[in-house]
Amino acid sequence: DTAVSQTPKYLVTQMGNDKSIKCEQNLGHDTMYWYKQDSKKFLKIMFSYNNKELIINETVPNRFSPKSPDKAHLNLHINSLELGDSAVYFCASSQELSSGRNEQFFGPGTRLTVL
Amino acid sequence: AQSVAQPEDQVNVAEGNPLTVKCTYSVSGNPYLFWYVQYPNRGLQFLLKYITGDNLVKGSYGFEAEFNKSQTSFHLKKPSALVSDSALYFCAVRDTSGTYKYIFGTGTRLKVLA
Repeated sequence: DTAVSQTPKYLVTQMGNDKSIKCEQNLGHDTMYWYKQDSKKFLKIMFSYNNKELIINETVPNRFSPKSPDKAHLNLHINSLELGDSAVYFCASSQELSSGRNEQFFGPGTRLTVL
Repeated sequence: AQSVAQPEDQVNVAEGNPLTVKCTYSVSGNPYLFWYVQYPNRGLQFLLKYITGDNLVKGSYGFEAEFNKSQTSFHLKKPSALVSDSALYFCAVRDTSGTYKYIFGTGTRLKVLA
């Protein structure tokens, strides 16, 4: 059973298009994240939701809009795609309430290529 | 500002030799520290963490890390490296201001030579 899944795995699209990436976790976690990993492998937090509430919103262009319909899902919609959006996007989840855990579980990534 | 640094872009080690991947951090308050590993074309996998307690933390695949408060370090170690340990390793610190934010280092590529 896949703990954190993302679709699609690969996304190739033209500049100016709008696209979405979906993420689902079956771990029962209360917090989910979107990260961007660039070509140098730097990992940058973009957004985080805790119990469907946006709690982290880093300096990200407003072309990026996350949506969390429920605790198990966090989607990322990107409008007017630009060349610089090409990267690997990772979804992650963690359980932040007590338990002493907090380690994050990552999805397999979505490789976005903007032409 | 809270931060984590991995001073080495790449570490090369011969198979069977001990390995160390370095990490230093800067946080206010007590740190939550993590190590993750990323294999090619995969997501990050959790290796181990320090929250409190024993300074030597044992994790997956024979890895361990030593928390050193005076040196603000959390170096990853393994007594005997395997070729299959070759991967990208990330150190991370949890923001202690209550934002649930994790700050990742820039990653260290470990290459274990046969």
